[in-house]
Amino acid sequence: AQSVTQPDIHITVSEGASLELRCNYSYGATPYLFWYVQSPGQGLQLLLKYFSGDTLVQGIKGFEAEFKRSQSSFNLRKPSVHWSDAAEYFCAVGADTNAGKSTFGDGTTLTVKP
Amino acid sequence: ETGVTQTPRHLVMGMTNKKSLKCEQHLGHNAMYWYKQSAKKPLELMFVYNFKEQTENNSVPSRFSPECPNSSHLFLHLHTLQPEDSALYLCASSQVPRNGYTFGSGTRLTVV
Repeated sequence: AQSVTQPDIHITVSEGASLELRCNYSYGATPYLFWYVQSPGQGLQLLLKYFSGDTLVQGIKGFEAEFKRSQSSFNLRKPSVHWSDAAEYFCAVGADTNAGKSTFGDGTTLTVKP
Repeated sequence: ETGVTQTPRHLVMGMTNKKSLKCEQHLGHNAMYWYKQSAKKPLELMFVYNFKEQTENNSVPSRFSPECPNSSHLFLHLHTLQPEDSALYLCASSQVPRNGYTFGSGTRLTVV
């Protein structure tokens, strides 16, 4: 079975500061990994994905994430946070098995201080 | 424009009403999903459809009835709901698992 843990429920950073959101996954083989962002009252938007190749992946809005197999992690980073980045962030793991479903973490809420 | 359109955006219904939520995608995706998102709770997968066939029902109460007439449309029929069913209902679609999901903006449902 696949599972995802996002250890941080809530993170606050100052505008312009760097950001790292943590994600750990459990899956027997190489998983498909995703980060999504959700603004209040909206659906989720895919930020980036990893399924093979270069372990550092670039996404939209200046985000990147690094797949570390040895640590079963897929942490999301941004060098300089903008106030508009305040939102909830979800890590997810998927696979070709399990009817192609993705399993989502519980989410991390990001607050940006001016 | 996300590519997945959900209507209505907001819905208030009484416990004895019958209503339907609609989801539409023209992305050519073969799989469609219903998720429930309640305050302070994780995303809950409700139903999965692949090529119009239901492949998963995640122990959802029978007062929720999905329908997938074709690969582009997905409905969630609601009847005799409870106040605890109030939530944001999200529809998503995907082509292949490694591409991830495209979500709609959701329907905010309030049961009174």
